[in-house]
Amino acid sequence: GQQVMQIPQCQHVQEGEDFTTYCNSSTTLSNIQWYKQRPGGHPVFLIQLVKSGEVKKQKRLTFQFGEAKKNSSLHITATQTTDVGTYFCAGLGNSGGGNYKLTFGKGTLLTVNP
Amino acid sequence: GAVVSQHPSWVICKSGTSVKIECRSLDFQATTMFWYRQFPKQSLMLMATSNEGSKATYEQGVEKDKFLINHASLTLSTLTVTSAHPEDSSFYICSASLAGVGEQYFGPGTRLTVT
Repeated sequence: GQQVMQIPQCQHVQEGEDFTTYCNSSTTLSNIQWYKQRPGGHPVFLIQLVKSGEVKKQKRLTFQFGEAKKNSSLHITATQTTDVGTYFCAGLGNSGGGNYKLTFGKGTLLTVNP
Repeated sequence: GAVVSQHPSWVICKSGTSVKIECRSLDFQATTMFWYRQFPKQSLMLMATSNEGSKATYEQGVEKDKFLINHASLTLSTLTVTSAHPEDSSFYICSASLAGVGEQYFGPGTRLTVT
């Protein structure tokens, strides 16, 4: 079945440093979604990428979807303490029979030292 | 934005009892809702996909007789953990989608502790 791998598992940075998390799918995706879960909270939708090679920005966050639609990345420029949390990617893939399934990566836990 | 509520927020129950968790979409109709389980510091494990008016689709390895899902209306899905055991203790989160498998809006989760 479809697998979505995400690295790194966790990363600790100093405030102001950049951060990147990477997501790789075993199969070609229809779209990829990114979510953020604050400690003790629930996942919150950030963005969805659909097109091959698509790049989207949200303030200091840059999201990329690979040309082959099998990988994606989230880059945060100049991290702040408010960026702390676990970032999940979720890939939408064809699970057969005309059905689609969203598979979450294991997430990357970001901690920021002020 | 789309808001999803979950009730209760946390529950402690004795081994052998059943627990029902409700998931409601407050400001939109959700034909599809999803139930996840999350262990500490781990990812979301999809348990089942709940479609209004039809039987839920369970993921491999999830016992449908133990985790009963009912999606009686376009705004409510329930998960009942039957004959709960300590190993069922976990964080259960539901989500709802406006359009099938589009972006998902998550509820705040339910912390279940079985003693």
